[in-house]
Amino acid sequence: AQSVTQLDSQVPVFEEAPVELRCNYSSSVSVYLFWYVQYPNQGLQLLLKYLSGSTLVKGINGFEAEFNKSQTSFHLRKPSVHISDTAEYFCAVRPNSGGSNYKLTFGKGTLLTVNP
Amino acid sequence: KAGVTQTPRYLIKTRGQQVTLSCSPISGHRSVSWYQQTPGQGLQFLFEYFSETQRNKGNFPGRFSGRQFSNSRSEMNVSTLELGDSALYLCATRSGIDTEAFFGQGTRLTVV
Repeated sequence: AQSVTQLDSQVPVFEEAPVELRCNYSSSVSVYLFWYVQYPNQGLQLLLKYLSGSTLVKGINGFEAEFNKSQTSFHLRKPSVHISDTAEYFCAVRPNSGGSNYKLTFGKGTLLTVNP
Repeated sequence: KAGVTQTPRYLIKTRGQQVTLSCSPISGHRSVSWYQQTPGQGLQFLFEYFSETQRNKGNFPGRFSGRQFSNSRSEMNVSTLELGDSALYLCATRSGIDTEAFFGQGTRLTVV
């Protein structure tokens, strides 16, 4: 079984400031990791994913995340945020065994609010 | 290329009624998964269908069921609605085994 902990439920920042949204996971098997963004009254949009290879992953909208296997973390970062980045962000994992087990396990989400 | 389409977008039902939600996947996508999103429990996996077969199921009561048609469109049904079933129901579709999932905009179900 897998579990995901997003350490901050809300993160307020000022425009053009850097931000880090923290995610830790627990799993008895190897996993793939994802970050999704959800704007109000919308579905989820994939920001980035870690499948294998380089532990620094770059995604859309200037976001990046670093996979740390020893600390079982996958923190999301952006060097300079915009008002339009205000949204809820979800960290998710799934087993990397492939096949039939495509169940995403999500964290509770972090609400990022960017203030002018 | 059209995205994942969920209908209806909003729904209000009365306790005890049943409801059917629909998800049309991106063309070529054969896998459809359903998730329930509530403020208290967050995003929880309901089930996944692939080529008309349920392959994975979450920890929900039997009132929650689903099916997939030969054109990959999927429906989920909730019978004997309870107030706690009020939620945003999201479907996610993908083309193969190890590919990312694309989410629809969801159906907001309110049970009164």
